[in-house]
Amino acid sequence: DTGVSQDPRHKITKRGQNVTFRCDPISEHNRLYWYRQTLGQGPEFLTYFQNEAQLEKSRLLSDRFSAERPKGSFSTLEIQRTEQGDSAMYLCASSLGTSGGAAGETQYFGPGTRLLVL
Amino acid sequence: AQKITQTQPGMFVQEKEAVTLDCTYDTSDQSYGLFWYKQPSSGEMIFLIYQGSYDEQNATEGRYSLNFQKARKSTNLVISASQLGDSAMYFCAMRVEGYQKVTFGTGTKLQVIP
Repeated sequence: DTGVSQDPRHKITKRGQNVTFRCDPISEHNRLYWYRQTLGQGPEFLTYFQNEAQLEKSRLLSDRFSAERPKGSFSTLEIQRTEQGDSAMYLCASSLGTSGGAAGETQYFGPGTRLLVL
Repeated sequence: AQKITQTQPGMFVQEKEAVTLDCTYDTSDQSYGLFWYKQPSSGEMIFLIYQGSYDEQNATEGRYSLNFQKARKSTNLVISASQLGDSAMYFCAMRVEGYQKVTFGTGTKLQVIP
């Protein structure tokens, strides 16, 4: 039973560079989420996909951030022109949803990508 | 808007003892789900247990159980027979019916002492 995987696990970059993270959800899961977690905080919602459609974006997701899920399977999160404030853990989660958003639908998380912007 | 409050930044517990981690929430919605996740130092968020707003019985899952008090809007996590491997951050979270976003608290760091 393969869980959610993320790559890379760690990324160090210089300010102004672009970075891209990948997330592979649990295979039968149709919903995929990206969260950001800064030190001492809980994860904060960034965006959500149902299959290949990006259905919700948080106001935290500035125009330097873009996420895709081209074939409804894996997803990528790109950050352009990185800033030191982008340093955080980026978590991906997936769930199996039917209709709407049942309150009990559990999101399963990957190990995260730790980004450090110098 | 939903809000989760975890007032205990850190907790210590002796190995084999039980510990309660507090969580209160705020929402005007009637149908919602409450979750607890464990985050070890490796970073992965591990799902532990779920309680629905309409569930009349407290959820249990192995050594984990919830003390759900709907009128007080609290859902405290009880870990029985603590083990050294339970040392981690614990996050309380909420999801409202019809929405995909999960709102998390700031977490409680639990340390199990041998």
